[in-house]
Amino acid sequence: KNQVEQSPQSLIILEGKNCTLQCNYTVSPFSNLRWYKQDTGRGPVSLTIMTFSENTKSNGRYTATLDADTKQSSLHITASQLSDSASYICVVRRAGGFKTIFGAGTRLFVKA
Amino acid sequence: GAGVSQTPSNKVTEKGKYVELRCDPISGHTALYWYRQSLGQGPEFLIYFQGTGAADDSGLPNDRFFAVRPEGSVSTLKIQRTERGDSAVYLCASSLGGQETQYFGPGTRLLVL
Repeated sequence: KNQVEQSPQSLIILEGKNCTLQCNYTVSPFSNLRWYKQDTGRGPVSLTIMTFSENTKSNGRYTATLDADTKQSSLHITASQLSDSASYICVVRRAGGFKTIFGAGTRLFVKA
Repeated sequence: GAGVSQTPSNKVTEKGKYVELRCDPISGHTALYWYRQSLGQGPEFLIYFQGTGAADDSGLPNDRFFAVRPEGSVSTLKIQRTERGDSAVYLCASSLGGQETQYFGPGTRLLVL
């Protein structure tokens, strides 16, 4: 079982609408959680990073939340644009090591 | 350079052949990671270098896979006796240190026929 689970697997929304992507993890002990955006055919690009003590972090139209007690995170995208079409990957780092554990990603399609 | 670069961008080979994939990290980045990404999946950790040494190679699937970083900069991922199941995108990432943001290259798409 993957230690980082993301939902939904894919999502289609209309341009201008908001959406929220979910990430649940079981990785322990926890160090930090990142959200990455991966365009088709490209490497992932970091959007946000949150440590145990942070509940929310924004980067433009992207807002990530973290509940370390329930081990859940979400990524909220406001006023979506066509260029937001990509895979969004949740990544958790285990404390005390170097390995990062990636979720399978949510594939977002933004339609005009 | 401006970012992480990987060569070749695409590689087609036959089952049983040997391949080398190259990664040029961002200048000054001491940490370098290799990942493998199958279609529709997130990247899967393979190996992590801190400087010239492999600090964690627990993700390498078997002894057909090997990676080097002899001068602490460029890294080469080597796959011997390739199998069809090795077909994937191989991503390289680098960071200033082991805990810093990882910057990914565009990947090498490997297809084993």
